[in-house]
Amino acid sequence: QVQLQESGPGLVKPSETLSLTCSVSGGSISGYYWSWIRQPPGKGLEWIGYIYSSGSATYSPSLKSRVTISVDTSKNQFSLKLYSVTAADTAVYYCARREYAAGIDVFDIWGQGTMVTVSS
Amino acid sequence: DIQMTQSPSSLSASVGDRVTITCRASQRISDYLNWYQQKPGKAPEVLIYTASSLQSGVPSRFSGSGSGTDFTLTISSLEPEDFAIYYCQQSFSIPRTFGQGTRVEIK
Repeated sequence: QVQLQESGPGLVKPSETLSLTCSVSGGSISGYYWSWIRQPPGKGLEWIGYIYSSGSATYSPSLKSRVTISVDTSKNQFSLKLYSVTAADTAVYYCARREYAAGIDVFDIWGQGTMVTVSS
Repeated sequence: DIQMTQSPSSLSASVGDRVTITCRASQRISDYLNWYQQKPGKAPEVLIYTASSLQSGVPSRFSGSGSGTDFTLTISSLEPEDFAIYYCQQSFSIPRTFGQGTRVEIK
């Protein structure tokens, strides 16, 4: 079955760029939407954005000015870049698949998550 | 943004109890409402989508109902593995938003 795995640095300095990659295995990245969702320690879930396999992306308005999500279908991967990070961006970052078909719109498959700490 | 408010924020229950969690949206979202379960140190997993459809592989003791602004997740008979945090999430508009979570603890 489809599995997702996040990878990237666990520590990022303030004002720098957070970069994460999600590798999709057990299925093709094509024909689906792929999302990033984060969870600060001890807090709830925040949707960052998603991208269709064609490259069309939609972002949360609150993060739109600092976020880029991209997709590489040849590698079956998609990526997150979050610019000018602060301590408030410290969180577990999850990648997830958005199932969107026939009235269904749900994040049905999630990666295990990766903790990113913003600190000097 | 559509605000999702869950109640209660936490509850204590015993194995075998019937548990009900409520989620209210700040505006009407039809049935674009999903429920997730999250266990400590793990990613969320979908239980219910489109308000009342049971995700494949999820036990039938979980059920969802509601439409418009008010939704309910019910666990008919709590099992030990159900102690977790539950989140609702709307898929009606951008940005996608989640409730603050309901922690179900062992009494």
